[in-house]
Amino acid sequence: EPEVTQTPSHQVTQMGQEVILRCVPISNHLYFYWYRQILGQKVEFLVSFYNNEISEKSEIFDDQFSVERPDGSNFTLKIRSTKLEDSAMYFCASSSEGTQYFGPGTRLLVL
Amino acid sequence: DAKTTQPTSMDCAEGRAANLPCNHSTISGNEYVYWYRQIHSQGPQYIIHGLKNNETNEMASLIITEDRKSSTLILPHATLRDTAVYYCIVRAWRDSSYKLIFGSGTRLLVRP
Repeated sequence: EPEVTQTPSHQVTQMGQEVILRCVPISNHLYFYWYRQILGQKVEFLVSFYNNEISEKSEIFDDQFSVERPDGSNFTLKIRSTKLEDSAMYFCASSSEGTQYFGPGTRLLVL
Repeated sequence: DAKTTQPTSMDCAEGRAANLPCNHSTISGNEYVYWYRQIHSQGPQYIIHGLKNNETNEMASLIITEDRKSSTLILPHATLRDTAVYYCIVRAWRDSSYKLIFGSGTRLLVRP
């Protein structure tokens, strides 16, 4: 069964450093998403992406964040200058029509 | 999107049916009811969705009331691996770029 994959599974970085989280969506899907979950809190929407552009973004998704689909298979989330409060699980999801399927997540720890 | 209300926690015995309720009294005509679950800190896992008819798949059944203001997710024979947080989410179907809004969900504990 096709699934969304994410790398790395864990990332530790220093405050102020740039990180890139990678996702490989399900191959025939056209809609891509990033969500995050701070420890003990709800899953929060960050951004959706379709046809090589952002279709919606949340207030969390400020200028420090960017997304890209650099080739036909990868979907990336970049955080330019990480802050302590960026520590969270980051989930990628993809969909063809309605149902979104999630990856296993990347645990980001900013020190 | 319509707001949903779920109990904070529930438990059931292994092998028994788990019935998880969800209230979505402000649901509109084009909105579907989706259920996801999250086991520990893993990615949310899609379970089932429906519009107005009852639905069943290999994981669960979804019963939606006739007025569509509430629904129940049924896990027919719960196992210990079904211990998770279950989220009921209402969203429109046609706008595929529409975000999912997660609430706090119901924490289901399956007891041995």
